[in-house]
Amino acid sequence: KQEVTQIPAALSVPEGENLVLNCSFTDSAIYNLQWFRQDPGKGLTSLLLIQSSQREQTSGRLNASLDKSSGRSTLYIAASQPGDSATYLCAVSNWNDMRFGAGTRLTVKP
Amino acid sequence: GAGVSQSPSNKVTEKGKDVELRCDPISGHTALYWYRQRLGQGLEFLIYFQGNSAPDKSGLPSDRFSAERTGESVSTLTIQRTQQEDSAVYLCASSLNWSGDYGYTFGSGTRLTVV
Repeated sequence: KQEVTQIPAALSVPEGENLVLNCSFTDSAIYNLQWFRQDPGKGLTSLLLIQSSQREQTSGRLNASLDKSSGRSTLYIAASQPGDSATYLCAVSNWNDMRFGAGTRLTVKP
Repeated sequence: GAGVSQSPSNKVTEKGKDVELRCDPISGHTALYWYRQRLGQGLEFLIYFQGNSAPDKSGLPSDRFSAERTGESVSTLTIQRTQQEDSAVYLCASSLNWSGDYGYTFGSGTRLTVV
């Protein structure tokens, strides 16, 4: 059974800092990995999707990398803003299964 | 539709009553997932549907929980004899195919409160 771990559980940074969120998974035979953002009381918004054959994806200030062999992914957020404050979830897809990490709660202070 | 639609958005029910939650996936999406998220916790997998195949029910926490989906259309999650521990946000997601090649789209969820 796939286990997904996200570190740190919570992170607080001043505005403008670059930061890295980590995701690790136990079964490297994945189809893809997706990073989501969840705002309080809201559903999930997809940020980046990395296929198993890819090593990274970029969207604006976000960059996600994937090292399948080591079972790791990182989400890099450049020049953080207070609007980036949310919980970031990593989801890993295997055969007809998608498992989530517990998330990293990010607070960006003005 | 343009996105995954869930209804109701909020539901308050008395302990012991049955509730039915609805999910309308994106048209053409063959795969559909239900997740539960308790307050302050991560997403907990409940059940997965893929086309007309038998669903993966391995995540359902008890026999009070059941879900149905006819073909590639609407899915309903039913919780019988609700308990306070069932209070959570229930999220539905759909994807174009079983491997999620094009990612997954989530609905806004149904917040269930059992009093």
